[in-house]
Amino acid sequence: ELKVEQNPLFLSMQEGKNYTIYCNYSTTSDRLYWYRQDPGKSLESLFVLLSNGAVKQEGRLMASLDTKARLSTLHITAAVHDLSATYFCAVDLRGTASKLTFGTGTRLQVTL
Amino acid sequence: NAGVTQTPKFRILKIGQSMTLQCTQDMNHNYMYWYRQDPGMGLKLIYYSVGAGITDKGEVPNGYNVSRSTTEDFPLRLELAAPSQTSVYFCASTSVGQGPFGYTFGSGTRLTVV
Repeated sequence: ELKVEQNPLFLSMQEGKNYTIYCNYSTTSDRLYWYRQDPGKSLESLFVLLSNGAVKQEGRLMASLDTKARLSTLHITAAVHDLSATYFCAVDLRGTASKLTFGTGTRLQVTL
Repeated sequence: NAGVTQTPKFRILKIGQSMTLQCTQDMNHNYMYWYRQDPGMGLKLIYYSVGAGITDKGEVPNGYNVSRSTTEDFPLRLELAAPSQTSVYFCASTSVGQGPFGYTFGSGTRLTVV
């Protein structure tokens, strides 16, 4: 059974600081996704990581994937209040069927 | 394009009542999914479909049923609603074998069972 773990579960950080969210998964996979969710809203796709060593950046967010370590990171650079949200990683085991397994999420609060 | 459309957005059910959550996509995606999200948690897969006429159970299927008669529609049926089914339900779709590997989520249905 695939397990996806995120840490930390809650992160309070000051504006301007850097931090990293970690996503570990238990089974070999070739696709990892990062989503953002604002309170009461649906999921917004941030990154799709398709291969070992993949790195993608958008604004103050950068995601990377190490398939050998079964680890993905979401790095936040110089956080701003607008980044406050819950961030989920999800792993896609494509084989006979494609299904996403989600982590429990990291609630990020950026304070002034 | 509307993407993935879910109705209703909110619903309150009494224990023992039944209802159908509707999900429609206009992207010609072959795969469709139903997830539930409990407060402060990640999404858990209820059922999924790899094409019209084909459905399968996910991680938490008990108390739910699905059907997929067309590519576009994937309704989720709740029979005999229970308080444990209070949750936010998300429908999603993707195209497998066609790229570009992303999943599209609907806006969600917030269900309360009292």
